[in-house]
Amino acid sequence: RKEVEQDPGPFNVPEGATVAFNCTYSNSASQSFFWYRQDCRKEPKLLMSVYSSGNEDGRFTAQLNRASQYISLLIRDSKLSDSATYLCVVNSNTDKLIFGTGTRLQVFP
Amino acid sequence: GAGVSQTPSNKVTEKGKYVELRCDPISGHTALYWYRQSLGQGPEFLIYFQGTGAADDSGLPNDRFFAVRPEGSVSTLKIQRTERGDSAVYLCASSLNRGAYNEQFFGPGTRLTVL
Repeated sequence: RKEVEQDPGPFNVPEGATVAFNCTYSNSASQSFFWYRQDCRKEPKLLMSVYSSGNEDGRFTAQLNRASQYISLLIRDSKLSDSATYLCVVNSNTDKLIFGTGTRLQVFP
Repeated sequence: GAGVSQTPSNKVTEKGKYVELRCDPISGHTALYWYRQSLGQGPEFLIYFQGTGAADDSGLPNDRFFAVRPEGSVSTLKIQRTERGDSAVYLCASSLNRGAYNEQFFGPGTRLTVL
């Protein structure tokens, strides 16, 4: 079983739609949690950190459920420019990041 | 300011050859990480440096892989006797300090193709 699991997609949604991605992690000692965005043939870039209290950044909302070892990302009012791969990432206090396989999002006009 | 840079951006080599991949971290960042990303997968950890020393090399797949950071800044990932399975994008990242909450900034990667 992979340490971080996410649905690879692709998710094909129209502009303006709301889309949600989920991710589960296996190491209960994991300390920090992130969503990274990766455009085709580019490097991953931090989208947002994820906290137990939930956090919001504009159209993006991230949530962490430690009891269920589950992380989510919600994107509201999708834009064409949101098309990318979204990587769920966990750090278990070993300094190395553990990445999921990524979920591909394609927003169409 | 300048981000993480990696050279070369692309490297094509033949099976059995030796390659070196270079990473220049963000100035002042003490922690440096190497990851490898295969097609359709997320990046996988290889090795991490704090200063000049390798703090964790548990992700290196075998003894053909080696990395150095002699002056605590630039790092070189070295692969001996390359195999076709080594083909991937090799990503370098740096962070200001070690620690689970420090953001890691990634370079553009080196795309290695072993023929």
